[in-house]
Parts: sequence; C-alpha cells; structure tokens
Amino acid sequence: SQQGEEDPQALSIQEGENATMNCSYKTSINNLQWYRQNSGRGLVHLILIRSNEREKHSGRLRVTLDTSKKSSSLLITASRAADTASYFCATDLAKGGKLIFGQGTELSVKP
Amino acid sequence: GAGVSQSPRYKVTKRGQDVALRCDPISGHVSLYWYRQALGQGPEFLTYFNYEAQQDKSGLPNDRFSAERPEGSISTLTIQRTEQRDSAMYRCASSSASGGDGYTFGSGTRLTVV
Repeated sequence: SQQGEEDPQALSIQEGENATMNCSYKTSINNLQWYRQNSGRGLVHLILIRSNEREKHSGRLRVTLDTSKKSSSLLITASRAADTASYFCATDLAKGGKLIFGQGTELSVKP
Repeated sequence: GAGVSQSPRYKVTKRGQDVALRCDPISGHVSLYWYRQALGQGPEFLTYFNYEAQQDKSGLPNDRFSAERPEGSISTLTIQRTEQRDSAMYRCASSSASGGDGYTFGSGTRLTVV
C-alpha cells in the first residue's frame, strides 16, 4: 500500500515560475525523501529531511516538513524546462528500512 | 561500480517461463531494494536486504516471486511461471548503512510477458 500522496497529480507552469508540490502521509516517519524521474527513466534522489527537521534547502529546492500535519512540501524556485519530470515523495518509517513511495506529481515547465 | 547496474535492460518472455533479473549495487552499499513500477505510478516495494539477509519480503506479490543476495553484493529477483500481469519495470536500488544520502536507483529491467 502507498503511504504518501502527492498533490497535485499534475502541474504545468511557465519557465521562471516557482513550483510547489505537496505530500501527505499516514504514519510516523524517520525521514522523508523526494525523488525526480524523467520520462520513465531511473529515479534520482533530490533531498532528505529528517523527522526532527522543519526545513531544508538544496540549490533551488526547498523542502518543508510538518510532522504534526503529516505533510511535506517541495518548492522549486525559478523553474527551468529541464525541471520537467515526475516528482515523488517517499517515507522511511524506520532508519535503514524500506521507502514507501507516493504516486507522484507530474511537473511540466514550458519555455 | 560507479552506479547500480541492472540486467537485462529489456526482457521479453513467454507466459509460464521463469525469469531472473540481476542487480549489481554500488560497491560497499549495505542495503539493496527491489521495486516494481507500473507506468504512471510510483515504485511499489517488493523486498530488501541488509548484507545477505533478507529483511522484509512483505511486498512480494505471491510465492512465484523470490529474491536472494547470497554474498551480500549482487542480487537476483526470480519470477517463476510468469504471467502477463507480471509485466512491469523492475527497479533495484542500494543505499549505505546510514541511508542518509537516499537510495541510488538502477535504470531498471523492463519485463514483458507475452
């Protein structure tokens, strides 16, 4: 069964705009991770945020985590056409254990 | 190796045949994971190993599916008596003991059962 649910399912924006994707989950987690997948290719790890962290940055990426609401958001600032991909959140219930992936948000950035 | 390597990249097999999918993780990575991904869906967990020990196989759909990692490195996912519903992309990933850098995924094996 899937733990995370992304919202929206699909998002279309213009280059230069910001893109925000949300993820909700059901049970307590050790950490939450975001991955990118281009056109059915391999998944690429973007960022990991631990349960005791509230916000994390990596380049143009900003991730927030609200454990009280069991939700996370991924913000991509100043989007580029190359950011076009599917984005998945994944929750780790126990350190070193399996990741449970959501269904993903399909992001389209138009030049 | 530099990345996670999966073979074959594509496999077409007839219904009822057995298939073996191979995963060669990043050297030194303790944990190895198998996922299955349908088109337009997120990866679905199958099973994972720490070293050679299978830690969790709760995601394996039925007893036709099995996996092993006998020496704590290369892993094989075997599907016996394949059925058309087994057609999917099978993905392998590995991670370090801490898992702090996330998973590194391979390119996957596209299995088609005809």
